Amino acid sequence: DAKTTQPPSMDCAEGRAANLPCNHSTISGNEYVYWYRQIHSQGPQYIIHGLKNNETNEMASLIITEDRKSSTLILPHATLRDTAVYYCSRGPGTYKYIFGTGTRLKVLA
Amino acid sequence: DADVTQTPRNRITKTGKRIMLECSQTKGHDRMYWYRQDPGLGLRLIYYSFDVKDINKGEISDGYSVSRQAQAKFSLSLESAIPNQTALYFCATSGVDGHEQYFGPGTRLTVT
Repeated sequence: DAKTTQPPSMDCAEGRAANLPCNHSTISGNEYVYWYRQIHSQGPQYIIHGLKNNETNEMASLIITEDRKSSTLILPHATLRDTAVYYCSRGPGTYKYIFGTGTRLKVLA
Repeated sequence: DADVTQTPRNRITKTGKRIMLECSQTKGHDRMYWYRQDPGLGLRLIYYSFDVKDINKGEISDGYSVSRQAQAKFSLSLESAIPNQTALYFCATSGVDGHEQYFGPGTRLTVT
């Protein structure tokens, strides 16, 4: 099964860290993990990617487990503008990029 | 101006009609992709192209065809539209490493 699974929804208090998990237990050794977010029905926006090591950029941090079967996207200080649907993706594989079904994050004031 | 544009943004068509969705990009990228998004199913890859002469099927290509007219243009066609092709369609581009995909604003297609 090549599915990438995510919880359907999460809440986070404004100013706190938002930790969004993703399970990609069948990921291949040369496949990367990607995270995107989508606000309303706009085109998804790239956030971050990684292969084995943890990564950080100005938007978020990505933690990948040692066995690479799961990852966590961390938004260190969530704001109301971070309310969106977050997609985990893996690739390139047989069908290039497989996206999860997304987690709807709601940041609460 | 947007880097990736899609036309039309909304389209309603009838079962059996042929319809074309168009995508243009100014990123100068060689790689282009077509995805569809359905509620609860996330994004699924329909076709992808690594250059003008390289077109490949994605996860769900049945019922669709594509044309890469130029580096900047990638069109998706529904040969004979059916209601279960009602969805939000996104075009995307990326550089040669494929790591950061830039998505267009989407085309909302309804087949009645």
